Amino acid sequence: DTEVTQTPKHLVMGMTNKKSLKCEQHMGHRAMYWYKQKAKKPPELMFVYSYEKLSINESVPSRFSPECPNSSLLNLHLHALQPEDSALYLCASSQAAQGHYGYTFGSGTRLTVV
Amino acid sequence: QKEVEQDPGPLSVPEGAIVSLNCTYSNSAFQYFMWYRQYSRKGPELLMYTYSSGNKEDGRFTAQVDKSSKYISLFIRDSQPSDSATYLCAIVETSGSRLTFGEGTQLTVNP
Repeated sequence: DTEVTQTPKHLVMGMTNKKSLKCEQHMGHRAMYWYKQKAKKPPELMFVYSYEKLSINESVPSRFSPECPNSSLLNLHLHALQPEDSALYLCASSQAAQGHYGYTFGSGTRLTVV
Repeated sequence: QKEVEQDPGPLSVPEGAIVSLNCTYSNSAFQYFMWYRQYSRKGPELLMYTYSSGNKEDGRFTAQVDKSSKYISLFIRDSQPSDSATYLCAIVETSGSRLTFGEGTQLTVNP
């Protein structure tokens, strides 16, 4: 299995909703990541889980909170989002904790906040 | 100045053409170089990975790195309409886990 699986593929949520994005990999990768990608822009790093330690991009607002239940799963909990948070949310994993061998990306969750 | 510069295009070529995509970078600590292909509404797919200066070939794709000039390239030979996508260069520091992306170049190969 050489895939990163993300669910759901599409999500529409209101600004008062709470929802979660899920990500799963079975490649034995040691690090997992959440990225946000706006249209015609490169992915922007939000969070890194590497060896069970969380690293945060300080510019990410607290309405996004990651959770790593085990080494194969990574969730992103969403609460009180704003319309400008609408984007493609990508999960990725890497064999090496430093990402030296490249990342494997999932197909993403396309999020629309209304 | 951005850490990684990439011409966003768009780039349009006829089928069978040789495509050259390029990025420059400013940080000498960058040591690992990748090219990703991203189709519309999909996640990026790793095409090529290299960590040394020189060329690396994989089928119709050749990645080239010149560390002295801080310049990386991706060449696509015999381009096909199925190569139409956005191509992102990405670079990792020796000690870091952060992937720094270029802006991406949108490529269209016309039949």
